Amino acid sequence: EAGVTQSPTHLIKTRGQQATLRCSPISGHTSVYWYQQALGLGLQFLLWYDEGEERNRGNFPPRFSGRQFPNYSSELNVNALELEDSALYLCASSQRRNEQYFGPGTRLTVT
Amino acid sequence: GENVEQHPSTLSVQEGDSAVIKCTYSDSASNYFPWYKQELGKGPQLIIDIRSNVGEKKDQRIAVTLNKTAKHFSLHITETQPEDSAVYFCAAGGGGDYKLSFGAGTTVTVRA
Repeated sequence: EAGVTQSPTHLIKTRGQQATLRCSPISGHTSVYWYQQALGLGLQFLLWYDEGEERNRGNFPPRFSGRQFPNYSSELNVNALELEDSALYLCASSQRRNEQYFGPGTRLTVT
Repeated sequence: GENVEQHPSTLSVQEGDSAVIKCTYSDSASNYFPWYKQELGKGPQLIIDIRSNVGEKKDQRIAVTLNKTAKHFSLHITETQPEDSAVYFCAAGGGGDYKLSFGAGTTVTVRA
């Protein structure tokens, strides 16, 4: 069974630009979660999508947004990039309550 | 919201010894407690989890215990091996919104 996949692996942007990160969940999983992992820190919850709807978001500004497509894949958009947005962005998918399986992440660097 | 604290932040053990990582949580509504292992350059891997209707769960060399009254849970790794070296994260969730709140992580180093 294929795991959660994310693209791109690395992304380099400059301040003020927009970044788009993509995630494909495990087949059969309908929920997608996004987390931010800043260097040396734990995981901070960003967004949760289920059945195409945004169900919950963490304490992040509105310039962090996303969507979930009919095939349950998901996109995270970060507008007006700031230096402190540099981090590893992790996507996880879930079929049953709470058991979340993570992808390898997208390393975003803002210069 | 949920607040998860994890200790210690670093742990160095001799190969073959045991390692114990402890976490506490604040939200009594949390009922799901997974543990993840993250190796360098990879995403976190779910290694074991426990739900609040169970006090202990074991899978080969790893075990997790949960004390709901005290709001703390622990990961135990026995007979540690070099491949156990990684960052371990505890998390708590299940309070209705299905998000997980993570501890800050423990860097485990197994010395050969």
